[in-house]
Amino acid sequence: GQNIDQPTEMTATEGAIVQINCTYQTSGFNGLFWYQQHAGEAPTFLSYNVLDGLEEKGRFSSFLSRSKGYSYLLLKELQMKDSASYLCAVMDSNYQLIWGAGTKLIIKP
Amino acid sequence: ETGVTQTPRHLVMGMTNKKSLKCEQHLGHNAMYWYKQSAKKPLELMFVYSLEERVENNSVPSRFSPECPNSSHLFLHLHTLQPEDSALYLCASSRMTSGDYNEQFFGPGTRLTVL
Repeated sequence: GQNIDQPTEMTATEGAIVQINCTYQTSGFNGLFWYQQHAGEAPTFLSYNVLDGLEEKGRFSSFLSRSKGYSYLLLKELQMKDSASYLCAVMDSNYQLIWGAGTKLIIKP
Repeated sequence: ETGVTQTPRHLVMGMTNKKSLKCEQHLGHNAMYWYKQSAKKPLELMFVYSLEERVENNSVPSRFSPECPNSSHLFLHLHTLQPEDSALYLCASSRMTSGDYNEQFFGPGTRLTVL
């Protein structure tokens, strides 16, 4: 079956760095997405990786290793507004998104 | 209006009621999706429409009935629901259903409670 694994919850301190991991096993691979979802709001797109390596976008970076079925989202200079759930999703061979359950990130002052 | 909108934002209904959820996208996209989001579970894809034709139905119970009258509007008709159907229902759209960098844009969701 298809599976996406990510930690349920993480806690970090304002101003620090946090890395959220995602491992996947899917039928084919057509890219990996990270979304941010604040409580009670819509998921919003953060990043897309289809080739191995690191994609940097401001304070957020996303890494992909296709051979290991592994990605991480790196958040730097954490701010209180970064408290949210972070969703990892893989597009399989049918171009269907397979979603992880999300990682709830709690930022403490 | 911009992006993807959904109405109502909150809905409480009894098991014998009939109600409909509405989604509208203002992005010129050709594909629309219904997802169910339950607490601490992955997003569950329910239905996919591409150019107003249904292309995916992930074994969803018949008490959920989708309708896509045009590429900008999507409905989810609800009938004889069960308490376990209580969840956040998210609508999303994308340029197409396939191809690289096919980012999905989400609406704010409808929080459904079935009594």
